[in-house]
Amino acid sequence: DAGITQSPRHKVTETGTPVTLRCHQTENHRYMYWYRQDPGHGLRLIHYSYGVKDTDKGEVSDGYSVSRSKTEDFLLTLESATSSQTSVYFCAISEGQGYYEQYFGPGTRLTVT
Amino acid sequence: GDSVTQMEGPVTLSEEAFLTINCTYTATGYPSLFWYVQYPGEGLQLLLKATKADDKGSNKGFEATYRKETTSFHLEKGSVQVSDSAVYFCALSSDSSASKIIFGSGTRLSIRP
Repeated sequence: DAGITQSPRHKVTETGTPVTLRCHQTENHRYMYWYRQDPGHGLRLIHYSYGVKDTDKGEVSDGYSVSRSKTEDFLLTLESATSSQTSVYFCAISEGQGYYEQYFGPGTRLTVT
Repeated sequence: GDSVTQMEGPVTLSEEAFLTINCTYTATGYPSLFWYVQYPGEGLQLLLKATKADDKGSNKGFEATYRKETTSFHLEKGSVQVSDSAVYFCALSSDSSASKIIFGSGTRLSIRP
């Protein structure tokens, strides 16, 4: 199994509070991704990183920011959580683009009340 | 833009039945195609992939053939087991999607003993 951990695994927070989710890898892969999974929508890309300090937006980036100061860590921040951000968040990593597979973490279930 | 369409679920079959989950795609260029599987409470994991037309990906008794003429990548298995119960995602990665993978909405499969 690819060495990917996510923390926390579960979190309940109130509307308007900031939240940071952490993804940690031990594979030294260049690419890291954050997705959210919601019923009927499959996985939607929030942000991704193609190197330290190099990030770009995905299709649902509004309300989220990311940072990658080290190869192994990719942080997702909700500056002011809203109920629409209640979801399961997955981190993924890959060695490269195109035909390279992505390896997924176990997910973080976030509930915003 | 690039997209993936897969059959809606849930799909319920009896053990040892034949399985087909349809997947079609829209993409420019020559995408790589994937099937990912998600077991309950876990992240996604790669089931199989194909990187060029007429390639057949296979794993754990599952198969899918890259059909460029019909822009399809249907997943098949000759005899399903209860342990195959999961959500299955068709996905593509193309030059136009950069380092991103585009996922379908997922098909939930339940196998009755």
